[in-house]
Amino acid sequence: KAGVTQTPRYLIKTRGQQVTLSCSPISGHRSVSWYQQTPGQGLQFLFEYFSETQRNKGNFPGRFSGRQFSNSRSEMNVSTLELGDSALYLCASSPLGRGIADTQYFGPGTRLTVL
Amino acid sequence: DQQVKQNSPSLSVQEGRISILNCDYTNSMFDYFLWYKKYPAEGPTFLISISSIKDKNEDGRFTVFLNKSAKHLSLHIVPSQPGDSAVYFCAAKGAYNTDKLIFGTGTRLQVFP
Repeated sequence: KAGVTQTPRYLIKTRGQQVTLSCSPISGHRSVSWYQQTPGQGLQFLFEYFSETQRNKGNFPGRFSGRQFSNSRSEMNVSTLELGDSALYLCASSPLGRGIADTQYFGPGTRLTVL
Repeated sequence: DQQVKQNSPSLSVQEGRISILNCDYTNSMFDYFLWYKKYPAEGPTFLISISSIKDKNEDGRFTVFLNKSAKHLSLHIVPSQPGDSAVYFCAAKGAYNTDKLIFGTGTRLQVFP
């Protein structure tokens, strides 16, 4: 079974631009979550989606948004990019999305660099 | 407020010996704990997990121990191999209807010959 895939793998943008990242979960997985990894803040939860609904959101500004489609694929969007948005963005999926005892599997990430 | 802490940023172990990675948490609502291994510029790879109703879970060379009263868990790798060299993250979650993971800051493990 194919793992979680993320596109693009690398992205370079300039301040003020916007960016859209894509995530395809493992086949049959219904829950998708997004995380940001930076050297200073570690791995931080952005948001999670289940059945096309945002179920939980981390402590990030409104410039960060996402959505999930009926096939469970997900996108996240960052508008008005800032230098501090440079990070590795990770997507994870889990089979049931029921929370407890449900393991999340991560994709390879998208490395975003903002100049 | 760091709810999940890995107080050792790095650990160096000789090949064949035991590696012990530690993790402490503060939120008593956490009910499920996971360990991930991560290489630079890659996504975390799931290793092993444990539910709060257990105090030990074993999978091959990896064993996770949970001490709920001390809010402490540890990952034991026996025997350690050079390929185990990576950053290890512990993660926790607690609410039933969410997949949100709270990660520790990671421990860099180096296994030398």
